[in-house]
Amino acid sequence: NAGVMQNPRHLVRRRGQEARLRCSPMKGHSHVYWYRQLPEEGLKFMVYLQKENIIDESGMPKERFSAEFPKEGPSILRIQQVVRGDSAAYFCASRGSIYNEQFFGPGTRLTVL
Amino acid sequence: DAKTTQPNSMESNEEEPVHLPCNHSTISGTDYIHWYRQLPSQGPEYVIHGLTSNVNNRMASLAIAEDRKSSTLILHRATLRDAAVYYCILRDVDNAGNMLTFGGGTRLMVKP
Repeated sequence: NAGVMQNPRHLVRRRGQEARLRCSPMKGHSHVYWYRQLPEEGLKFMVYLQKENIIDESGMPKERFSAEFPKEGPSILRIQQVVRGDSAAYFCASRGSIYNEQFFGPGTRLTVL
Repeated sequence: DAKTTQPNSMESNEEEPVHLPCNHSTISGTDYIHWYRQLPSQGPEYVIHGLTSNVNNRMASLAIAEDRKSSTLILHRATLRDAAVYYCILRDVDNAGNMLTFGGGTRLMVKP
């Protein structure tokens, strides 16, 4: 059973460009969470999605950030008009059904030049 | 999720046991105690969880105080690969599906 997959693993963007981060949950998981980890800081929750629904987006910045989890395909975290402060590691996790533990992907490291 | 308090860092020698403490004095009756760890340059990894009784799995043991206001993650024989940041997180059973709230965690350094 493959784990949570994220791509790309590293992404470099210039200020003002768009960044698209993809997350494929574990097989059979229909709940996805996105977290952000700024350099030398802890992980912060961003958004929680179920297939085709946003359940909780209380951690998402109000502008430039959006997320989706379509019926088919991976979950996408989209950052428009990136700024240097968006440079961080972005992790997604999918939720197991037995103990509700979350399984994390390897992360996407975004660098904004 | 209720708040937890952990030491910022701890050191251990390789092949010795490690006891990582966590205080959660405001824990409620429906809060589970979860532990995750994050190895360098990787995503967090689930370690163990418990409610009232001590728990063991292949990775670690979790000792929970009788009043549940504190708990200790025990690594029986630390290896260099156990060097990571360890997070103690409380999760309400009624909101178990919701996000994880990570604090600062304890950075464990393992010396050869």
